Amino acid sequence: QEKVQQSPESLIVPEGAMVSLNCSFSDSASQSIWWYQQHPGKGPKALISIFSNGNKKEGRLTVYLNRASLHVSLHIKDSQPSDSAVYLCAGANYGNEKITFGAGTKLTIKP
Amino acid sequence: EAAVTQSPRSKVAVTGGKVTLSCHQTNNHDYMYWYRQDTGHGLRLIHYSYVADSTEKGDIPDGYKASRPSQENFSLILELASLSQTAVYFCASSDQGANTEVFFGKGTRLTVV
Repeated sequence: QEKVQQSPESLIVPEGAMVSLNCSFSDSASQSIWWYQQHPGKGPKALISIFSNGNKKEGRLTVYLNRASLHVSLHIKDSQPSDSAVYLCAGANYGNEKITFGAGTKLTIKP
Repeated sequence: EAAVTQSPRSKVAVTGGKVTLSCHQTNNHDYMYWYRQDTGHGLRLIHYSYVADSTEKGDIPDGYKASRPSQENFSLILELASLSQTAVYFCASSDQGANTEVFFGKGTRLTVV
């Protein structure tokens, strides 16, 4: 079964800094990669997804996918205190409905 | 925005008792899911359904049953609750399956004592 490793486990940065979160997959089974944001006491909310090698930008978010190295990263530009949350990386495989989640990175943005 | 409502939001159950967690979605989505979240394990899929009156096993189905009586409703049933089932449970829905956006409810915190 595919495994998803996220790093770092936690991260504290000052407001306005660029944030980089990493995710590694154990195999190439996932057809799409998703990043979710989860605030305390809430359910995860999808932020951005990517299906093909390369990068995708949406607002302050950029995601990079390298299928050869089984690595994906999420970059948050101009971080805000409201970005403080747990970020979950997930790989999805249509057909068997397998969405494999990483354990998450806890991000804290200091004002 | 897509809405997934879970009830109850928290529950304390006794070991060996029966627990039913309910989920209702107003998104008109075909796919519904039950996940559990434990510290250090991320989210793990218990059961899912892509049509009413049918359910499928996920990665950790043992000790859980699911029921999908209608497109809008999906329940998770613990027939004999155990201490190891203490966790936060999330219901979710999606329009066309895993490669499309999944919308989560706010979760149910279940404590088995």
